[in-house]
Amino acid sequence: GQQVMQIPQYQHVQEGEDFTTYCNSSTTLSNIQWYKQRPGGHPVFLIQLVKSGEVKKQKRLTFQFGEAKKNSSLHITATQTTDVGTYFCAGLDSNYQLIWGAGTKLIIKP
Amino acid sequence: SAVISQKPSRDICQRGTSLTIQCQVDSQVTMMFWYRQQPGQSLTLIATANQGSEATYESGFVIDKFPISRPNLTFSTLTVSNMSPEDSSIYLCSARTGVGTEAFFGQGTRLTVV
Repeated sequence: GQQVMQIPQYQHVQEGEDFTTYCNSSTTLSNIQWYKQRPGGHPVFLIQLVKSGEVKKQKRLTFQFGEAKKNSSLHITATQTTDVGTYFCAGLDSNYQLIWGAGTKLIIKP
Repeated sequence: SAVISQKPSRDICQRGTSLTIQCQVDSQVTMMFWYRQQPGQSLTLIATANQGSEATYESGFVIDKFPISRPNLTFSTLTVSNMSPEDSSIYLCSARTGVGTEAFFGQGTRLTVV
């Protein structure tokens, strides 16, 4: 079946360092969505990318959708403790089902 | 947007028993879903809850084990039947207002089977 691969599984950073997570689909996606799940919480929608090559920014977060609509990335500049959590990508397939990546856990080193 | 109320938030159950989880959305939504999430893992779709008809189950999930109801556009239940310790997990209700829209989630039900 269709899969969305997400890497890395974990990323440890010092506060103030940057963080990036990548997603790659085996097939072309209708759109890709990004979610954040805080420890003990539920996934919360961050953004949706629809167009080929689209780039969107939310303050320190930059989201990209690849030209082929198969890959996407989320980059956080100058991480803060409030950024801690797991970031999931979810691709919308041709059947309008969300295919979830494995998630990348952002850990801030003490 | 949609706000989803899910209950119970957690439960500890004896093996062999059943638990029904309720999900109430504050607005009419097109699609409702049930997911399972093991700690530290991604979301696994159990089924799509269809209004007034049988749910659509994903591979590995069957109606006898996870009966689902959706009597109207804003309410759904998931029952975990004849529970075993392997059913211990977090169960999440989700809803979308349209085919290409974002997913909203309930707070989740943390189930422990002893």
